[in-house]
Amino acid sequence: TQLLEQSPQFLSIQEGENLTVYCNSSSVFSSLQWYRQEPGEGPVLLVTVVTGGEVKKLKRLTFQFGDARKDSSLHITAAQTGDTGLYLCAGARGSGRRALTFGSGTRLQVQP
Amino acid sequence: NAGVTQTPKFRVLKTGQSMTLLCAQDMNHEYMYWYRQDPGMGLRLIHYSVGEGTTAKGEVPDGYNVSRLKKQNFLLGLESAAPSQTSVYFCASSRQRDSGGGYTFGSGTRLTVV
Repeated sequence: TQLLEQSPQFLSIQEGENLTVYCNSSSVFSSLQWYRQEPGEGPVLLVTVVTGGEVKKLKRLTFQFGDARKDSSLHITAAQTGDTGLYLCAGARGSGRRALTFGSGTRLQVQP
Repeated sequence: NAGVTQTPKFRVLKTGQSMTLLCAQDMNHEYMYWYRQDPGMGLRLIHYSVGEGTTAKGEVPDGYNVSRLKKQNFLLGLESAAPSQTSVYFCASSRQRDSGGGYTFGSGTRLTVV
C-alpha cells in the first residue's frame, strides 16, 4: 500500500485543456514537494509547500497543500506539449532523519 | 556544475553476479539517497545517508548494501543479483532531510538482471 496515492495514474489531454492531479494520504506531512520527470532523466523539483492551505503558483501550474497537510493538488492551466511527463508528489513526515516518501506518479501526455 | 552523477548508465547482469553503482555529488550536500523506480510503484527508498560514514535502511533494503566513505560519494552494492532487482536506480542528494531546495537527482542507472 502506497503511503501517498496519486490520481489519476494516466492522463492524456489535448493542448490547451486544463487538468488537476491529486496526491492523497491518511498521514500528516510536514512538507510536500512536487517533481516532474522526463523519460531517461531523474525527477526535477517543481515546488515545495509547507503550510496547510498554502497555494503556490509557477506560471501555469498551481499547487495547493490541504488544510490538514494530508493531501495536495497540482492544477495546470492551458496545458502545453512541454508539460508532458511523470508528475510525482513526495512528502516529509515529522522530525528526525527520515527521507522523503514518493507517490506512484501521474503520467501526463499532452497531445498537440 | 555537474550536480549528481551516476555510473554506469546501463548494465546487464546475470543472476548471482555482483556489482557496485557509484553516485557522486559536487554540491557539498550532507544527505544522499538511493531509490529504485519500477512501473506503477513510484520511487522506493533503498538506503540513505545523513553524513559521511553513516548509512540507514530505507523501505526496501534487502539484497543491497551501501557505503559513504567520502561525503561526495554514495555507493550501492548488489552482492548477488536477482531478477527482482531489475529496475532503474536513482541517486539523490539534499542539503538537509526535507529542505525547500528539494532533492537533486542523477539521471539514473538502468539495471537488467537475467
